Amino acid sequence: EVQLVESGGGLVQPGRSLRLSCVASGFTFDDYGMHWVRLTPGKGLEWVAAITWSSRTIAYADSVKGRFTVSRDNAKNSVYLQMNSLTAEDMALYYCARDRGFGQLLGAFDIWGQGTMVTVSS
Amino acid sequence: EIVLTQSPATLSLSPGERATLSCRASQTVRNYLAWYQHKPGQAPRLLIYDVSYRATGIPARFSGSGSGTDFTLTISSLEPEDFAIYYCQHRSSWPYSFGQGTKVEIK
Repeated sequence: EVQLVESGGGLVQPGRSLRLSCVASGFTFDDYGMHWVRLTPGKGLEWVAAITWSSRTIAYADSVKGRFTVSRDNAKNSVYLQMNSLTAEDMALYYCARDRGFGQLLGAFDIWGQGTMVTVSS
Repeated sequence: EIVLTQSPATLSLSPGERATLSCRASQTVRNYLAWYQHKPGQAPRLLIYDVSYRATGIPARFSGSGSGTDFTLTISSLEPEDFAIYYCQHRSSWPYSFGQGTKVEIK
């Protein structure tokens, strides 16, 4: 079964850091680019970051650029999101999602995890 | 950054009716537009990519059309399981972005 499972969410104080993980199974992980997308009650879905299979291309939303870092370890079938300097605006359900492109980014997300919740509060 | 604006915010319809959802881009996104369905407590589901191509397993009652800056998702005859929030999303340039969503609710 093709599956993505996120972890690492939780309650964090403003200004602190958190690292999210996403483990893939059921497909050849290093054939696909990966994305992080977040869901907030006020804004709906927001694309956060992307990383190609080789990590050669990485991109971020303007709202997280300079604070968040996406990375992957193909040997562990995992993608990560390091989140620094967190604010209340970052509070959301964070999904990892697979890009539908085989060997290239095609910018549509065909497999999603169930998400991990990040709460930013003092 | 390209801004996607969806309308209406809420669509109140009955099962069996036709749903027409709109997505307008602040500048051209060429044919690089996708649609997703999202139900509370579930992962979003890819419906349509590149304007009009249905994703694997998506029923034929879902169709997409448009080009450039104006796009439409049509559900030809609403089934009970289609009541959800629908988002458009572009991949034309970095950063990617989503529209704010259209909620299709039961009338």
